[in-house]
Amino acid sequence: QVQLVESGGAGVPPGGSLRLSCAASGFTFSNFGMHWVRQAPGRGLEWVAVVGHGGRPAYYAGSVEGRFTVSRDNSKSTLYLQMGSLRAEDTAVYHCAKEISPYAGDWYFDLWGQGTLVTVSS
Amino acid sequence: EIVLTQSPGTLSLSPGERATLSCRASQSVRSSKLAWYQQKPGQAPRLLLYAASNRATDIPDRFSGSGSATDFTLTISRLEPEDFALYFCQHYGSSPVSFGQGTKLEIK
Repeated sequence: QVQLVESGGAGVPPGGSLRLSCAASGFTFSNFGMHWVRQAPGRGLEWVAVVGHGGRPAYYAGSVEGRFTVSRDNSKSTLYLQMGSLRAEDTAVYHCAKEISPYAGDWYFDLWGQGTLVTVSS
Repeated sequence: EIVLTQSPGTLSLSPGERATLSCRASQSVRSSKLAWYQQKPGQAPRLLLYAASNRATDIPDRFSGSGSATDFTLTISRLEPEDFALYFCQHYGSSPVSFGQGTKLEIK
């Protein structure tokens, strides 16, 4: 079954850290760039980060640059997002998403996970 | 960064009617690299259209897209009950990519 399943979301205090995972199945994970996109409660979607199919390059939204790190383990078909120095405004459902074309494709997405909720609150 | 503004915020229509959703960009979207997604409560977004007017796999032909540069439109020709959802546009013509704030299509 072709799917992405996120995990790792939790409630954390401001300044805390968290690592999210996204397990992929049903397609050749190592062929595709992968992204994180978040959705704050009642808000729209915000692109967060991307990692290339081979693990590089990685790019970030300005709002998370220097605090978040995206990585992947192609042997485990898993994408990660290491989140640090968390702020209240990072509260959101975090989705992983797959680029539609293999290798260096355009950044739009034909497969998304349902998301995992991160709540940053004291 | 390109800002996408969707209108209306909420659209109330009945099944069988035609829906027209707008997405306006603050700058020209290169090569009409604009996608549309549908999202239902508690579900992942679903790709509907890419390159402004190309339907994704398995998307019914009642969904169509048009536009270029800064003005794009998603049209649903005859609404089915399952079409009532949240719709987002996204540009991917430059970095960073960005999304509109969404249009909620609700049953009248």
